[in-house]
Amino acid sequence: KAGVTQTPRYLIKTRGQQVTLSCSPISGHRSVSWYQQTPGQGLQFLFEYFSETQRNKGNFPGRFSGRQFSNSRSEMNVSTLELGDSALYLCASSTLLNTEAFFGQGTRLTVV
Amino acid sequence: DQQVKQNSPSLSVQEGRISILNCDYTNSMFDYFLWYKKYPAEGPTFLISISSIKDKNEDGRFTVFLNKSAKHLSLHIVPSQPGDSAVYFCAASALNDMRFGAGTRLTVKP
Repeated sequence: KAGVTQTPRYLIKTRGQQVTLSCSPISGHRSVSWYQQTPGQGLQFLFEYFSETQRNKGNFPGRFSGRQFSNSRSEMNVSTLELGDSALYLCASSTLLNTEAFFGQGTRLTVV
Repeated sequence: DQQVKQNSPSLSVQEGRISILNCDYTNSMFDYFLWYKKYPAEGPTFLISISSIKDKNEDGRFTVFLNKSAKHLSLHIVPSQPGDSAVYFCAASALNDMRFGAGTRLTVKP
């Protein structure tokens, strides 16, 4: 059974640009959640999708958005990038959010 | 909003001794709690969980304790091994919501 796949693994962008990150969940998992990891801040919840619907959203500005497709694959978009957006972005999939979630390896975004 | 807190950013223990990692939460709606372990350059991996109807769950060397009245959970690793050196995240979940702590870096010295 393939794990959670995130692409790309590494990304370098300049301030003001936008970026799209992709996450393919484990087959059969319908819940996909996104987290931002920065040193000292741990894993901060961005949003969660289930069956193409955003069910929950963390305390991030509107520049951060996402969507989920009918095959459960999810994308996260960040517009007008800022230096502070540099982080590891992790995606997790599960059958239901409040059960064991499986994480991808993450996308390391660097904004210069 | 720090609904889940891990107040110790790091912990160092000797091989063979007990490691105790602590976690506090504020939202009484959380009803399921998990611990994840993360190695560098890898995503977090699930370690152990506990439902709010229990106060203890054990899996080999790992035991999680839950004190609902204190809104506190802890992870005990006995005996600690060098391969346990990693960052440990606690997580608390309710319907449609899972929040993580900032993590504790555990170093187990040979």
